[in-house]
Amino acid sequence: ETGVTQTPRHLVMGMTNKKSLKCEQHLGHNAMYWYKQSAKKPLELMFVYNFKEQTENNSVPSRFSPECPNSSHLFLHLHTLQPEDSALYLCASSQGHQTYEQYFGPGTRLTVT
Amino acid sequence: ILNVEQSPQSLHVQEGDSTNFTCSFPSSNFYALHWYRWETAKSPEALFVMTLNGDEKKKGRISATLNTKEGYSYLYIKGSQPEDSATYLCAWGQGGKLIFGQGTELSVKP
Repeated sequence: ETGVTQTPRHLVMGMTNKKSLKCEQHLGHNAMYWYKQSAKKPLELMFVYNFKEQTENNSVPSRFSPECPNSSHLFLHLHTLQPEDSALYLCASSQGHQTYEQYFGPGTRLTVT
Repeated sequence: ILNVEQSPQSLHVQEGDSTNFTCSFPSSNFYALHWYRWETAKSPEALFVMTLNGDEKKKGRISATLNTKEGYSYLYIKGSQPEDSATYLCAWGQGGKLIFGQGTELSVKP
């Protein structure tokens, strides 16, 4: 148990669906992250939030829409996804930025049909 | 493109063997180098965060070194055990974000 939870753990959605991924951290951290892990590729940073403000958008398509209502919660809203968006989506949090270790959630395995 | 490269891609060793992996990263604008262990069906877990050239860190049988001038870090595992089987990720911290390598997959056979 890392102190970072993600729901759902598995999600299958059609290309016309709208769904949301949820992440919650119980560690009192200030920064939260979304990562994407595709098969045979490195972990890829998507978004960074620091004190609820988005500080990084790594050229992510607009069909992925993040939301950070407070420092403990992070959402990833999904709409009109493509099959190539099927991947493991990981949430992480840290006390600060790159000099602080990140704590990862268990991930959401997303399949787009 | 700023890449983080890890080698080897995979490694199979016997229990008791000592092993090491390499992480190469851009030597300019260095902030931090992270190592994570990612076991199957679990979350990535932080091993070390290293910030200073020449840094050496140790946690049990695992240790890491850092050379920021030439852009590499080594991770060492002494006396590998089956429970060390995992993917080991390094990540280069730059500009408020981490850039991950593709990982080294370690398998330790009893």
